[in-house]
Amino acid sequence: DPKIIQKPKYLVAVTGSEKILICEQYLGHNAMYWYRQSAKKPLEFMFSYSYQKLMDNQTASSRFQPQSSKKNHLDLQITALKPDDSATYFCASSQDLSQAPLFGEGTRLSVL
Amino acid sequence: GDQVEQSPSALSLHEGTGSALRCNFTTTMRAVQWFQQNSRGSLINLFYLASGTKENGRLKSTFNSKESYSTLHIRDAQLEDSGTYFCAAEVNTEGADRLTFGKGTQLIIQP
Repeated sequence: DPKIIQKPKYLVAVTGSEKILICEQYLGHNAMYWYRQSAKKPLEFMFSYSYQKLMDNQTASSRFQPQSSKKNHLDLQITALKPDDSATYFCASSQDLSQAPLFGEGTRLSVL
Repeated sequence: GDQVEQSPSALSLHEGTGSALRCNFTTTMRAVQWFQQNSRGSLINLFYLASGTKENGRLKSTFNSKESYSTLHIRDAQLEDSGTYFCAAEVNTEGADRLTFGKGTQLIIQP
């Protein structure tokens, strides 16, 4: 059974809309992350959270907002979607920031 | 320039043979991770190394932090080894760790 659950697996959105990507982990980890993989760029780090606090943000745009309502949740809200946002978004988690992260299966987002 | 350079970008092997993938780093890092991305797009953790060599079945990885490179050796390649292999440098910047990925090596195993 997958221990890092990302929902939905596939998502199609129209330009200008808003979507929330869900991530839950059942590993008891304290650190969670978001990464993005697009056709144009290699896998790239977006955010890291530790104990529900933002630790690192490498995303230039404020349209991307992580939300941690519970310790084992780190959702990603994306507003004013653009076609360039089309990518697979991976959630990951680790026991703490110094440990190697495990990755979820990803949410494949297509913006039309 | 790229902080993590992977080579080759693509590789084709026959079943039963082997080869090595390489990552060169142009930044200081604490550790390296190797992943396989399979046909479904899932990222599978292969190795995490802060130094030295680790082996797991037909795979072996080495991290030379002094010379800033890491290698992944595959021996006796099987069809299920096909996929894209990524190395990622664990960069500790301003007290927070993040992974910086290479562009990947696309590996095709032929019967």
